[in-house]
Amino acid sequence: AQSVTQLGSHVSVSEGALVLLRCNYSSSVPPYLFWYVQYPNQGLQLLLKYTTGATLVKGINGFEAEFKKSETSFHLTKPSAHMSDAAEYFCAVASGGSYIPTFGRGTSLIVHP
Amino acid sequence: DGGITQSPKYLFRKEGQNVTLSCEQNLNHDAMYWYRQDPGQGLRLIYYSQIVNDFQKGDIAEGYSVSREKKESFPLTVTSAQKNPTAFYLCASSISVAGPYEQYFGPGTRLTVT
Repeated sequence: AQSVTQLGSHVSVSEGALVLLRCNYSSSVPPYLFWYVQYPNQGLQLLLKYTTGATLVKGINGFEAEFKKSETSFHLTKPSAHMSDAAEYFCAVASGGSYIPTFGRGTSLIVHP
Repeated sequence: DGGITQSPKYLFRKEGQNVTLSCEQNLNHDAMYWYRQDPGQGLRLIYYSQIVNDFQKGDIAEGYSVSREKKESFPLTVTSAQKNPTAFYLCASSISVAGPYEQYFGPGTRLTVT
């Protein structure tokens, strides 16, 4: 079985501050990990994904995430928040057992001017 | 432009009525999915389809039905048996379910049942 835990349903940062959204996963086999972003009343869009290889993954809009097997984590970061980053962020895990991803509950990022 | 379309964006129904949500993709993807999204609960899988004329139940299939008669189309019917149908419904597609492929999402349909 696979599962994802996103710590913090809401994260609030000031514009220009570091963004850190936490994701921990559980998987009995090597995982494939994804971060998606959802703007209000829209579908999800892929930010980045980890499958194999380099553990630091760069995505769109300046976001990156690092796969840490020892910590079973895949936290999402961005050095400097923009107002346009305000959205809901979802972490998801898939594995060889089932390539259909399991999504976390989401973290709402709030950016203050 | 390739992508996924869902219609309508907003849908209102009376309790006891069945309602069908449309999902069409022109990405030539084999796999299609339906998710339900409720505040604070993330995305929950209702049904998925690997190929035409085949579909599988997800985690919360009760009260829902689907069909996959064409590769491009994967409509979802919310039946009167669904106890709490008011939600945001998302359709997605991917190249296949046989690998860790990115899912592409439609804009969603917000269903309100009163």
